[in-house]
Amino acid sequence: DTGVSQDPRHKITKRGQNVTFRCDPISEHNRLYWYRQTLGQGPEFLTYFQNEAQLEKSRLLSDRFSAERPKGSFSTLEIQRTEQGDSAMYLCASSLYYNEQFFGPGTRLTVL
Amino acid sequence: AQTVTQSQPEMSVQEAETVTLSCTYDTSESDYYLFWYKQPPSRQMILVIRQEAYKQQNATENRFSVNFQKAAKSFSLKISDSQLGDAAMYFCAYPPRLSETSGSRLTFGEGTQLTVNP
Repeated sequence: DTGVSQDPRHKITKRGQNVTFRCDPISEHNRLYWYRQTLGQGPEFLTYFQNEAQLEKSRLLSDRFSAERPKGSFSTLEIQRTEQGDSAMYLCASSLYYNEQFFGPGTRLTVL
Repeated sequence: AQTVTQSQPEMSVQEAETVTLSCTYDTSESDYYLFWYKQPPSRQMILVIRQEAYKQQNATENRFSVNFQKAAKSFSLKISDSQLGDAAMYFCAYPPRLSETSGSRLTFGEGTQLTVNP
């Protein structure tokens, strides 16, 4: 068990650019979650997958955000036309059904 | 809407002493889990302890224990014999719905920053 991994760990981009983050969950976990965390706050739910199906999306997930989990394994989160307000830590977590969620180290996004 | 409230933005404790972090939540569900997560500076979030609402017995994990008051919707975390490595942001978290077929996204409190003084 190597834990949840995320790539990259840090991303600096200019406003208006597109960025993509990757998450590799724990191998036997069927659920994968994306959260966003701003400085000094608790994480906020963005979306979650059960296997390859995206089952729930938060209202925080605007049209510029899209997430995929094509084969029920790794997931990608893409942000198009980034804005300064997108600067945050993006956390990925995985679980086996409704058991406890294990978090990755996060991707810190800075939009200049 | 389900909410989770942590009323203590910061707490401090002397090494080897005991500290209690507070959490209250709002729900209409009868069966659910509650979690405490720890997030050290620049490190990933890890689960400290979980409580199942149908269990009357408070959960315990080594030096960490909870005081779960279901009627009061209160879920506090007690850390005994505090160590320097306990210094972190602590989040209380609650999944709004819990079943095999529904989602279990977590709603987090605002966090409590714990400082451990040597």
